[in-house]
Amino acid sequence: GESVGLHLPTLSVQEGDNSIINCAYSNSASDYFIWYKQESGKGPQFIIDIRSNMDKRQGQRVTVLLNKTVKHLSLQIAATQPGDSAVYFCAEKGGSYIPTFGRGTSLIVHP
Amino acid sequence: DTEVTQTPKHLVMGMTNKKSLKCEQHMGHRAMYWYKQKAKKPPELMFVYSYEKLSINESVPSRFSPECPNSSLLNLHLHALQPEDSALYLCASSPEGATEAFFGQGTRLTVV
Repeated sequence: GESVGLHLPTLSVQEGDNSIINCAYSNSASDYFIWYKQESGKGPQFIIDIRSNMDKRQGQRVTVLLNKTVKHLSLQIAATQPGDSAVYFCAEKGGSYIPTFGRGTSLIVHP
Repeated sequence: DTEVTQTPKHLVMGMTNKKSLKCEQHMGHRAMYWYKQKAKKPPELMFVYSYEKLSINESVPSRFSPECPNSSLLNLHLHALQPEDSALYLCASSPEGATEAFFGQGTRLTVV
């Protein structure tokens, strides 16, 4: 079936470095994508979203890039901090209002 | 109030017990969801309520029984669970048709 998946299950970076978390999707009808951050023992927290009519969106220290040609999106975190350590999920919505989650990437930030 | 509140935070129950998980939101959202999340896995959708009516049941076993008493509350009744049902149970809400879903902190359920 169609699904949203991630390339790397674990990403380790040094504090201050930039982080890039990737996500591939296969549903060409998906028109909205969300990145969630989930810290240990907590529920997913919204970070940033992007609609399919855009290819880039910036937030505070985060940027999401969308490449519809290859069905790929990425989350870039600038100047990564220890507090950014968490599991990051991409989620997609295509035709319904219900988010479907991808596999998740664990980001580990070393001080 | 921009929170989804879940109680209890932790629950240990035996396989013959009956227990309930509770979820509450006061954001006026008309869509509410139950997700199940196993360790190191993404949340998996269980149920969706839209305007207090069950709109989606993702083939969840009948030992899980959802209930939506009003637009602010969502319950998940548990009976005769198995150890493999141990997981983090997440509640979420959103304005229907909207984009972002707001998640609670979850209930960590252990079935012994």
